Amino acid sequence: SQQGEEDPQALSIQEGENATMNCSYKTSINNLQWYRQNSGRGLVHLILIRSNEREKHSGRLRVTLDTSKKSSSLLITASRAADTASYFCATGTINNNDMRFGAGTRLTVKP
Amino acid sequence: DAGVIQSPRHEVTEMGQEVTLRCKPISGHNSLFWYRQTMMRGLELLIYFNNNVPIDDSGMPEDRFSAKMPNASFSTLKIQPSEPRDSAVYFCASIRGFNEQFFGPGTRLTVL
Repeated sequence: SQQGEEDPQALSIQEGENATMNCSYKTSINNLQWYRQNSGRGLVHLILIRSNEREKHSGRLRVTLDTSKKSSSLLITASRAADTASYFCATGTINNNDMRFGAGTRLTVKP
Repeated sequence: DAGVIQSPRHEVTEMGQEVTLRCKPISGHNSLFWYRQTMMRGLELLIYFNNNVPIDDSGMPEDRFSAKMPNASFSTLKIQPSEPRDSAVYFCASIRGFNEQFFGPGTRLTVL
């Protein structure tokens, strides 16, 4: 399966600290996407990084991609209590768009 | 754009009844996905369509589940007959090419 697998499963930090979540996958990809889900809500798209990109920024988010290691990381800087949510990665393979998800990382930011 | 639209938002039904979930993808998007989310199994891809054609339905749990996409702006996921273990949140999502995937708000299904 080419689904992304996130780690850690759960992460608890203090407000103001940085949070780093990782995603590993198995097959060659076209792109990798990170999502956020608040409890009981839908998934919100955060950022897309393509296989020919190594790093991407969006506000307090920084995503890296290492295709040689088949891994990606999501860094949230200066975290806020409102960042508390589950974060998922999903990968799209080269030939297909069958975006599959891992179990996610549950981030808790304590005020 | 209104985003991906799903209906109903909540559905409560009794075991054995037919359930139909509906999705309208974002205009111009050519791929549509149906996912199911539960605490136990996480977010599972059930089926996806490219240009209205089902590409991979290997995630559909049983023959009780079926999905159609009669045109580029509408898709349905049907469960017949429904069972209590089908209770979950069902999400629809759409993509244009190999770009960002956008999700609908989901349908929370409860089968009694």
